[in-house]
Amino acid sequence: RKEVEQDPGPFNVPEGATVAFNCTYSNSASQSFFWYRQDCRKEPKLLMSVYSSGNEDGRFTAQLNRASQYISLLIRDSKLSDSATYLCVVNMGGDMRFGAGTRLTVKP
Amino acid sequence: DAGVTQSPTHLIKTRGQQVTLRCSPKSGHDTVSWYQQALGQGPQFIFQYYEEEERQRGNFPDRFSGHQFPNYSSELNVNALLLGDSALYLCASSSLWDTQYFGPGTRLTVL
Repeated sequence: RKEVEQDPGPFNVPEGATVAFNCTYSNSASQSFFWYRQDCRKEPKLLMSVYSSGNEDGRFTAQLNRASQYISLLIRDSKLSDSATYLCVVNMGGDMRFGAGTRLTVKP
Repeated sequence: DAGVTQSPTHLIKTRGQQVTLRCSPKSGHDTVSWYQQALGQGPQFIFQYYEEEERQRGNFPDRFSGHQFPNYSSELNVNALLLGDSALYLCASSSLWDTQYFGPGTRLTVL
């Protein structure tokens, strides 16, 4: 089993759609969790941290379920500029483990 | 405030050669981590340096080695290059346990 698994995608959605990405992790000792965004041929950039109580940043909502070892990212009212690969990241004491990423394309 | 910088941006080598990649962390950061990202995959953790010591290491062979200097900058060395080493090499800096910020990467092609 991979340490961090994500929906394989790709997701192709129209502008304004709501899209949800899921991620599971295998190590229950994982300490912190993040979503990164990576544009084609660019470096990953932090989108948001994920907290146990759930957190929201504008159109983006992240949820963490430690009991199920599950992380999610919800994007509401998607924009063309949201097109990218979304990486789920699990931090185990400084050793960041990345999922393979889920590609999102938002179409007009 | 300069972010994480890496050099060179692109590099072409042949099998068996050696390569050195460089990274300067974001101002105020003391920890540097290196990742390998193959096409279509997520970044894979190579190792992390803190206080000039290798603090953690991922599942990479000894051909991959590194160094951190007193100014916190870092180098990644890869010996005896293989075709499979072709990838984007990413450096990320942080303040030890804090969020990591990535540099633009070095794209290595091994022919």
